Amino acid sequence: AQSVSQHNHHVILSEAASLELGCNYSYGGTVNLFWYVQYPGQHLQLLLKYFSGDPLVKGIKGFEAEFIKSKFSFNLRKPSVQWSDTAEYFCAVSIVSGGGADGLTFGKGTHLIIQP
Amino acid sequence: KAGVTQTPRYLIKTRGQQVTLSCSPISGHRSVSWYQQTPGQGLQFLFEYFSETQRNKGNFPGRFSGRQFSNSRSEMNVSTLELGDSALYLCASSETLGATNSPLHFGNGTRLTVT
Repeated sequence: AQSVSQHNHHVILSEAASLELGCNYSYGGTVNLFWYVQYPGQHLQLLLKYFSGDPLVKGIKGFEAEFIKSKFSFNLRKPSVQWSDTAEYFCAVSIVSGGGADGLTFGKGTHLIIQP
Repeated sequence: KAGVTQTPRYLIKTRGQQVTLSCSPISGHRSVSWYQQTPGQGLQFLFEYFSETQRNKGNFPGRFSGRQFSNSRSEMNVSTLELGDSALYLCASSETLGATNSPLHFGNGTRLTVT
């Protein structure tokens, strides 16, 4: 079974600071990669995804992530965070096989708090 | 478009009972997936239904089952409830099978408490 590791469970930053949240997965084959975000009181929503092609993907609200296959990593970045970025961030992976892709395996999440 | 709707929002059951949770996907979405979220284990995949058939399954015991109807609505059933089944159960819908070209859209979840 594959696993997804998010290195930081809690991150506290000041507004305008740069953000990088780490994500590593264990599966050696083809994968689809995702970052989901859950704002306080809201449901999980997709931030960005990688299926193939350019390993640097851009998502909503200025977020981007880079897929580094050799490192099994898919780190999330934002150059300048805002107070409204306070949320729980989840990295997720699905294995791609001949029959399609299976369910998502999620990391445990990173609780990001942005201080004004 | 209305989002994914899960009912009920909250449930309290006792050990040994069974429970049924309901999920209405976004109109036009044919895939429905279920996830369990707990503080200790995080989000874990239960199963996925597409065109009324279970297509993918996670690592949960047979007490967890589900079904999908012809209108794509889905139900999840847990029998012989255990205390450890207390969790937030999330439903997600997507246009296609599996987490491929169409993203998952999550509902707000059903909070199940087993006493």
